[in-house]
Amino acid sequence: DSGVTQTPKHLITATGQRVTLRCSPRSGDLSVYWYQQSLDQGLQFLIQYYNGEERAKGNILERFSAQQFPDLHSELNLSSLELGDSALYFCASSVSWGSNQPQHFGDGTRLSIL
Amino acid sequence: QQPVQSPQAVILREGEDAVINCSSSKALYSVHWYRQKHGEAPVFLMILLKGGEQKGHDKISASFNEKKQQSSLYLTASQLSYSGTYFCGTEETSGSRLTFGEGTQLTVNP
Repeated sequence: DSGVTQTPKHLITATGQRVTLRCSPRSGDLSVYWYQQSLDQGLQFLIQYYNGEERAKGNILERFSAQQFPDLHSELNLSSLELGDSALYFCASSVSWGSNQPQHFGDGTRLSIL
Repeated sequence: QQPVQSPQAVILREGEDAVINCSSSKALYSVHWYRQKHGEAPVFLMILLKGGEQKGHDKISASFNEKKQQSSLYLTASQLSYSGTYFCGTEETSGSRLTFGEGTQLTVNP
């Protein structure tokens, strides 16, 4: 158990819909990262927050947005969903954002678009 | 820039050794190694920061070459529990985001 909690574990929805994925970081971690992993693919970095502020942005679509709240939990919002958005979405957290910071991953949310 | 991992897949018998490589065309600031079992979350293994560094625990170790463009992960006397996909994540400058390779699928058979 990494200490990172993601909900829900599974989401099934239709094209055009909007969903929210939630992540609670490990106690004491200030950085939260979001990744997308399509079937048998690598981890694609989406976005990083540190202590409530956006710190780095990756290949995140305009239809996707995220935020980190004062209690440090984070939400990833995906809208106008397309079939290609079906993937495993991971949240990870670390104490800070330096190079010696391991990232601890949650169990992921599996999103299926029908 | 995405690092290149090799091989893409490897099949071993229990007790055999394996080496997984992670290469970049540019000098890197750090390399992180993770293992992911099917359907599970990636699990952190280790971070290498310095050129020439070697580190490890149990029978899994890694090195970072002097030019800081290649890292290798060494699995010795492999166990069934080592099966999974190994990812390297590379950092080009201090504090920049990690870019992960495509992964190396390792299967250890009895």
